[in-house]
Amino acid sequence: GENVEQHPSTLSVQEGDSAVIKCTYSDSASNYFPWYKQELGKRPQLIIDIRSNVGEKKDQRIAVTLNKTAKHFSLHITETQPEDSAVYFCAAPRVDTGRRALTFGSGTRLQVQP
Amino acid sequence: DTGVSQDPRHKITKRGQNVTFRCDPISEHNRLYWYRQTLGQGPEFLTYFQNEAQLEKSRLLSDRFSAERPKGSFSTLEIQRTEQGDSAMYLCASSLKWDRPSGANVLTFGAGSRLTVL
Repeated sequence: GENVEQHPSTLSVQEGDSAVIKCTYSDSASNYFPWYKQELGKRPQLIIDIRSNVGEKKDQRIAVTLNKTAKHFSLHITETQPEDSAVYFCAAPRVDTGRRALTFGSGTRLQVQP
Repeated sequence: DTGVSQDPRHKITKRGQNVTFRCDPISEHNRLYWYRQTLGQGPEFLTYFQNEAQLEKSRLLSDRFSAERPKGSFSTLEIQRTEQGDSAMYLCASSLKWDRPSGANVLTFGAGSRLTVL
């Protein structure tokens, strides 16, 4: 499979501050990196993804950056709000499935303090 | 069709019993995935189907686990002789077959079936 390491495991920020979550992967041929948000008791939902032909992608307060050389990608949330509090998972394609399934990181619990 | 549906949402069973979960994917999605999630962890890949063919199974999927997708639409995941360690949320996801050069594969998850083995 693919190894995906995610850090930090927990992150607490004040409302309005920025939050950054980082993931590293091992398969240099991986070409798709999504981020999922999971609120308590709910399903994981895709919030942003990036393909290997670009280095950064933004969607309002959320951005993802990709460094293929270093094999890491990061989620950036600016102007955090209490509703951003959730667990965030990064993912990368699994080599053993022809990169058709994803392997997920262990998650980052983000707490935004009002 | 409003998304991926899973049934039942909750199942409590005694150790040694068999349980079966059902997943109905988004109708136009031909790929279907099963994941398992325990508290505080990310989803762990179990198996996936393209149409009715089961193309890959994780080492996590012991012989007590079996999954089917007989007509390429809904899927079932059966766990035989359940053990307490099987207690988890079983998530189903679906996606369209990769048809872009980038290989991107957006997964849409269901709400999950929570299993508690006493």
